[in-house]
Amino acid sequence: AIRMTQSPSSLSASTGDRVTITCRASQGISSYLAWYQQKPGRAPKLLIYAVSTLQSGVPSRFSGSGSGTDFTLTISCLQSEDFATYYCQQYYSSPPTFGQGTKVEIK
Amino acid sequence: QVQLQESGPGLVKTSETLSLTCTVSGASISSYYWSWFRQPAGKGLEWVGRIYSSGSTNYNPSLKSRVTMSLDTSKNQLSLTLSSVTAADTALYYCARDLSGSSSYFSSSDDWGQGLLVTVSS
Repeated sequence: AIRMTQSPSSLSASTGDRVTITCRASQGISSYLAWYQQKPGRAPKLLIYAVSTLQSGVPSRFSGSGSGTDFTLTISCLQSEDFATYYCQQYYSSPPTFGQGTKVEIK
Repeated sequence: QVQLQESGPGLVKTSETLSLTCTVSGASISSYYWSWFRQPAGKGLEWVGRIYSSGSTNYNPSLKSRVTMSLDTSKNQLSLTLSSVTAADTALYYCARDLSGSSSYFSSSDDWGQGLLVTVSS
């Protein structure tokens, strides 16, 4: 299975900050990468798929980039509702696998 | 809007079989892939497997010998069974609709149920 490694595992930030989360795949996954947001007690919410395509209804402050093995999720101006855990997922090959998550906490 | 609701026993005894149902409303389960995921408390997400409306399935190799997925188009429901459970199978179980529609390529999942906590204990 392809291993997905996110960094950092957690970060503290303030409202208005620019936040970047990285995700590295153990082998090339082309553009088959998604990002999810999960809040406590809630199901994951799809933010981005195919590296950089925003899911309908997702604010434009979220963006994704990368290719091959290295990918990035950026939140351009952190809002209070963005404090959550973020997961990357590869779906290039079976089984689809997730990173371990990055928890974005209030500074 | 698509809504998914997992149901089933919240407590399963060790070595027995876990059986969950996912009821879909707002969309037909036909012509879509539907995935199951699980998440142990405080941990990350694991893909369990997926099923297409034709009944075609793909399972996570780590669970393949114990997992069975099926669907009932008349009830618009999906089912997951996991046999010979242990404490390691204790988790929140989610069903979700894959974004790819009828494409056989794997994809992300855009609509999720709220999840059902299943505890395995003797």
